[in-house]
Amino acid sequence: ETGVTQSPTHLIKTRGQQVTLRCSSQSGHNTVSWYQQALGQGPQFIFQYYREEENGRGNFPPRFSGLQFPNYSSELNVNALELDDSALYLCASSWGGGSNEKLFFGSGTQLSVL
Amino acid sequence: GESVGLHLPTLSVQEGDNSIINCAYSNSASDYFIWYKQESGKGPQFIIDIRSNMDKRQGQRVTVLLNKTVKHLSLQIAATQPGDSAVYFCAENPPNFGNEKLTFGTGTRLTIIP
Repeated sequence: ETGVTQSPTHLIKTRGQQVTLRCSSQSGHNTVSWYQQALGQGPQFIFQYYREEENGRGNFPPRFSGLQFPNYSSELNVNALELDDSALYLCASSWGGGSNEKLFFGSGTQLSVL
Repeated sequence: GESVGLHLPTLSVQEGDNSIINCAYSNSASDYFIWYKQESGKGPQFIIDIRSNMDKRQGQRVTVLLNKTVKHLSLQIAATQPGDSAVYFCAENPPNFGNEKLTFGTGTRLTIIP
């Protein structure tokens, strides 16, 4: 196991609601990245947090937002949920600093929007 | 647009045989490539990586080959075992994404036949 933990593991919401997903990074890692993985697809980069600041964002609307805390854990918030937001949301941690460091993924949160 | 794709969505291999999973990438400026393995209900797990200044890298039972001329990446798994059954993703690190932000392909499902 990677040491990256995500909660909850499964979540069911209805369209228009808001959701918060949580991630604890692996010990010693200061960077957290969030990915969305639709069924049968590869993960898509949402955004990354490094030292509590957003450090890059993929092609996702502003209703996807995040936070990183001083202990490097992170939250992903999604407002005004849409049916297409149903997916596996993956958190990955790494040690930042400008080099290509390996990403260590958690097992994800499976979000279903009805 | 730039994308990472796979030639085959599924691959079945007899236990003990070697398997080869292929991946085409289109961003010629990408300088870092990674293979991930994803088992059912889990997040992607790092297998092996390669930088663009190399054309081959070997790990334990796995070899990654990079052909920059045709923008092709492959993962070779030797003496496949039932535990190798999973979805395999290649991922690239495009330069405009910065470090540690990856573009994943769709994935190839590898099934090991006992």
